[in-house]
Amino acid sequence: EVQLVESGGGLVKPGGSLRLSCAASGFTFSSYSMNWVRQAPGKGLEWVSSISSSSSYIYYADSVKGRFTISRDNAKNSLYLQMNSLRAEDTAVYYCARDWEELEALFDYWGQGTLVTVSS
Amino acid sequence: EIVLTQSPATLSLSPGERATLSCRASQSVSSYLAWYQQKPGQAPRLLIYDASNRATGIPARFSGSGSGTDFTLTISSLEPEDFAVYYCQQRSNWPPTFGPGTKVDIK
Repeated sequence: EVQLVESGGGLVKPGGSLRLSCAASGFTFSSYSMNWVRQAPGKGLEWVSSISSSSSYIYYADSVKGRFTISRDNAKNSLYLQMNSLRAEDTAVYYCARDWEELEALFDYWGQGTLVTVSS
Repeated sequence: EIVLTQSPATLSLSPGERATLSCRASQSVSSYLAWYQQKPGQAPRLLIYDASNRATGIPARFSGSGSGTDFTLTISSLEPEDFAVYYCQQRSNWPPTFGPGTKVDIK
């Protein structure tokens, strides 16, 4: 059974940093590209970032480019999102999502999400 | 980026009724259009990919159609568990984008 479990969310002040993690199991993690998608409270879904299976290709939404860094450790079956210079508008539930094929941006499995709140 | 609009914003129906949800793209996305279902407090779930293909385990009452800029998700007969928010998403162009969602609630 495919499982994605996010962690690392919490309350952080504007300008602060946070690192999210996503632990994957139930599939060959190193064979799939992975993604972060976020959802502000009461709002819709917004794609944040994608990383290819070998980390060779990385993409970011304009809203987070230069502030967020996606990475992965295939030996640990883990995906990460380093978030710096956080703003109030980054407040959201952050979901880790698997790509059904390499960088196809079709999200076939999702974690339960981790809440990031940016507030003073 | 490609903008997706969904209509209606809210659809109030009774169990057993047919639901028809619309998604329109600001430019052609060919057939690279997916639909997701999200229930309160849960992660989204992939329902339909490439406009008309049901994802694994999705009941046959869910169907998708369309191509280019106009797409439809149809739920042939609403079950109690189908009351949720539905999002469309395009993957034709980067960045991938989502529509604002249609809430299907109980009349």
